[in-house]
Amino acid sequence: AQKVTQAQTEISVVEKEDVTLDCVYETRDTTYYLFWYKQPPSGELVFLIRRNSFDEQNEISGRYSWNFQKSTSSFNFTITASQVVDSAVYFCALSGDNFNKFYFGSGTKLNVKP
Amino acid sequence: DGGITQSPKYLFRKEGQNVTLSCEQNLNHDAMYWYRQDPGQGLRLIYYSQIVNDFQKGDIAEGYSVSREKKESFPLTVTSAQKNPTAFYLCASSLQGAAFFGQGTRLTVV
Repeated sequence: AQKVTQAQTEISVVEKEDVTLDCVYETRDTTYYLFWYKQPPSGELVFLIRRNSFDEQNEISGRYSWNFQKSTSSFNFTITASQVVDSAVYFCALSGDNFNKFYFGSGTKLNVKP
Repeated sequence: DGGITQSPKYLFRKEGQNVTLSCEQNLNHDAMYWYRQDPGQGLRLIYYSQIVNDFQKGDIAEGYSVSREKKESFPLTVTSAQKNPTAFYLCASSLQGAAFFGQGTRLTVV
């Protein structure tokens, strides 16, 4: 069965703090894809990153970085020097190699206070 | 501009009425999806379509129907059989890889 767990329901930080959002997944597929999306108050989900199961290299994009560890089935997301504009709900998602379905976690609401 | 357009943004429906949510994309994506989001929860898959004239039920298809007569369009009908239709509905499309989402339709049953 495919499943994504985001154990952190809500996190509050003060601006400029670093924050890590956790994502743990379950799948029987050998080929799969992991994603992170941001949902600001407007509601639209914004694509942040896609990672396939054969690429365990960590990725950095500006203040964002992602740590993929197959050994622990985790795909964590870190925001460095958080800003108020980072306040949103963040979703981790999983898909098989046919992209028939995307399985979403329940989301982590991030509050960044000035 | 390329993208996914959902309309309307807000929709009110009386109990017992069917209502259709529109989703159009000009990204030339083959796959399209409908998700439902309830407050404080993740997204649950209602229906998806990999190609024109074909669609599959997702995890919560009861009370919903879809059609895929054109590649660009994937409308969702919320029927009177859906017991708790008030929710935020998101449409997405995908070519090979990430799903890209519309801005959503917030449906309220009054």
